[in-house]
Formats: sequence, C-alpha cells, structure tokens
Amino acid sequence: AQSVAQPEDQVNVAEGNPLTVKCTYSVSGNPYLFWYVQYPNRGLQFLLKYITGDNLVKGSYGFEAEFNKSQTSFHLKKPSALVSDSALYFCAVRDRERDDKIIFGKGTRLHILP
Amino acid sequence: EAGVTQFPSHSVIEKGQTVTLRCDPISGHDNLYWYRRVMGKEIKFLLHFVKESKQDESGMPNNRFLAERTGGTYSTLKVQPAELEDSGVYFCASSQRTVSSTDTQYFGPGTRLTVL
Repeated sequence: AQSVAQPEDQVNVAEGNPLTVKCTYSVSGNPYLFWYVQYPNRGLQFLLKYITGDNLVKGSYGFEAEFNKSQTSFHLKKPSALVSDSALYFCAVRDRERDDKIIFGKGTRLHILP
Repeated sequence: EAGVTQFPSHSVIEKGQTVTLRCDPISGHDNLYWYRRVMGKEIKFLLHFVKESKQDESGMPNNRFLAERTGGTYSTLKVQPAELEDSGVYFCASSQRTVSSTDTQYFGPGTRLTVL
C-alpha cells in the first residue's frame, strides 16, 4: 500500500537559516512525488514535483527537494528561510503505474522565527 | 487563467442536515478529484472523475456522500444526512490528463465544513 510519512508535526527555524522538512514514502511501483504548501486561510499550492531524471528538483519560492531512492525520501529544503515561508507543508506520492490519486502525509507546520 | 474554485468557503450545519459543496475545475481539465482533511489528519482521497464519469470512488466514506459531475464541467459533493464526523476541509483538484501522466493536480481553496 502507498503511504507517506512526515515525521515532524512542527519545525522551527530562525529566519535566514537553512530549513529541511522531512518526508519518506512507500509505493509498490515507481513514484511521482510532490510537495504542496498551505498558507493560512488559503488552499493547497503546488510547490514542486519529482517525475524522473535529476534527483534534485527545484520549485517555487526558492524551495528544492531531493529524491533519494535508496532511503525512499523526498525532503524539502531551502537554503535561507523567510518569515513568509511559515505555513503547513504536505508531502505526497502517486504510484505512476497504478492510479491517479495522490496519497498525502499528515503535514508539517513550519514556523520561521524572526 | 482562473484556478480551481470552490463554494462555499465555509459551511456550518447541524447534524442531520444536507450540504452541497461545489467545485469548478480549471477550464479544459478533464480530471476532477475530491479530497478531505479531517482536523489534524492526512488529506484523504475521496473520488476521481474523468469528464462526467466516476473513475475511482474508492475513498468515499459511505452512501451519505454523493458526487456528481453532470456535463463534465463543475462537480458537486452532497452530504446527506451530515454527521459530526463529516466535519473537515473538503478540497477539490483538477488536472488535464489521466493515469500515468505527469500532470500536476491543482487544488482549490477548500470548503471548511462544520457539523454541529
């Protein structure tokens, strides 16, 4: 069965410091991997996705994520955090050979401290 | 280009009442999905339309939930009668193409349903 784990409910980072939001996944086939962000009182916004090719994926707002097949991870990173990055982040996976539905993690709340 | 829109943004109803949520996908997107997030838990898949046909409704919790997409454009999700455990945020998403495609699903702002 497909699943996504985000081990941290909350991550606190000082402004200007690098940030990492962790994600591991489990699929039976080959994965499509996604990160979405939800700002307060807003819907889910697509940040980036891994389909194939380069393991380092760059996305919106300076975020990037690294696909690691051996560790089945897809951690979200940013070199220098901004206060405006504070939001709820969701990692998600789709089994590319099976179906269209996306399986989401529980979400990680990111707090960037001024 | 307009994104996915949902109406209403927030609905408060009493247990036993009926509520209908609406989703307008991005124009030209054949795929429409409904998801739900119960407080503090994962966002869970409910069902998937390809045009007007239900492709996958494996996530629908029970027969109190009815989704339609007549004409293959907007979709409605009706909950009748609503129960307390139906409270949560209902998200709609759309994408252009179908299984095995690389298309991204774009999400709407969600409808927050509160059942008292």
